[in-house]
Amino acid sequence: EAGVTQFPSHSVIEKGQTVTLRCDPISGHDNLYWYRRVMGKEIKFLLHFVKESKQDESGMPNNRFLAERTGGTYSTLKVQPAELEDSGVYFCASSFLAGPPGELFFGEGSRLTVL
Amino acid sequence: GEDVEQSLFLSVREGDSSVINCTYTDSSSTYLYWYKQEPGAGLQLLTYIFSNMDMKQDQRLTVLLNKKDKHLSLRIADTQTGDSAIYFCAERGDSGTYKYIFGTGTRLKVLA
Repeated sequence: EAGVTQFPSHSVIEKGQTVTLRCDPISGHDNLYWYRRVMGKEIKFLLHFVKESKQDESGMPNNRFLAERTGGTYSTLKVQPAELEDSGVYFCASSFLAGPPGELFFGEGSRLTVL
Repeated sequence: GEDVEQSLFLSVREGDSSVINCTYTDSSSTYLYWYKQEPGAGLQLLTYIFSNMDMKQDQRLTVLLNKKDKHLSLRIADTQTGDSAIYFCAERGDSGTYKYIFGTGTRLKVLA
């Protein structure tokens, strides 16, 4: 069974440009999460989808970030325009159950570098 | 607010025990987790403990929970070089959106 896949694995862009990150969750997992880790800091929650609906987007930093999950399958996270502080590793995770203990299955992450 | 703290680095010799510590702030957390991230890989669930337990043992892993002090620890017995990784502590409530709150991660380096 395929795990959570993320694309691209690494993206280097200039400040002001746009980047779109993609996540394909494990098939059948209705719950999809985006997290971000800035170097040396904690992994911070961005948002949670249940199927195609945004269950919780309280962690989205500002309106330069847009997440979508059309059809309840894969998800995209767009950053437009990118700023220097957006650099970090963006993790996607999926789970079958939303409630605890509810193991999260993580992708390998997409590293974003904004110059 | 919700906050999870860990020390950033730990270095041990192969064969010794490793103890990774974590403190959290949300007393309503019902589950606490340890995730492991190996180089170039995503996070994987290592173990978890329900908040009404004090201890959980699973082969070389022992999790201790001190709910009064909001302190969680992970002990790895007979640490091997393959245990070198980043270990993340996380808490989670049982209501709302069930989001995980992760710590900074502790990078464990095992010396041969």
